[in-house]
Amino acid sequence: AQSVAQPEDQVNVAEGNPLTVKCTYSVSGNPYLFWYVQYPNRGLQFLLKYITGDNLVKGSYGFEAEFNKSQTSFHLKKPSALVSDSALYFCAVRGDYNQGGKLIFGQGTELSVKP
Amino acid sequence: GAGVSQSPSNKVTEKGKDVELRCDPISGHTALYWYRQSLGQGLEFLIYFQGNSAPDKSGLPSDRFSAERTGGSVSTLTIQRTQQEDSAVYLCASSGRQGPYEQYFGPGTRLTVT
Repeated sequence: AQSVAQPEDQVNVAEGNPLTVKCTYSVSGNPYLFWYVQYPNRGLQFLLKYITGDNLVKGSYGFEAEFNKSQTSFHLKKPSALVSDSALYFCAVRGDYNQGGKLIFGQGTELSVKP
Repeated sequence: GAGVSQSPSNKVTEKGKDVELRCDPISGHTALYWYRQSLGQGLEFLIYFQGNSAPDKSGLPSDRFSAERTGGSVSTLTIQRTQQEDSAVYLCASSGRQGPYEQYFGPGTRLTVT
């Protein structure tokens, strides 16, 4: 069965420093991976996805993610964090082909960027 | 363009009452998903509609939960005889095509069962 793990409940970063939010996955076939961000009292916003191709995927708001097949990881990164990046981040993997495309989410990582 | 909309944004109900939550997907999107977000369980898949196919109900936690999608557009999630453990944020998402494409989420309905 597909699964996703986000090993850190919280990540703290100083503004201007690079940030990394970690995600590892387990899939039975080709991995289709996604990152979403959730601001307080809001729904989830799509950031980026990996389907195939380049291992470095660029997304919204300056975020990027690196797909590493050997380490089964899909870490979210940003070269220079902003206070406004503070939010809850979810990594997700698409379900098996016969599961209709539902997303299986990690537990989420709270990112806090301090001035 | 308009995103996914959900109503109501907040719902407080007494234990044992029935509630209906509504989702308007992005126009033209054929796939529609319901998820539930709660503190203890994180984000859980509930049900999936794709075009005219039979819905995937595999995530519904009990037979008190049901959903329908009328005319391939608007969807209603119904919870009968609500329990306190049903308190959560219910999120709806839609996607334009079948396959590994991103889903676009609505703002959610926060359900509180007292």
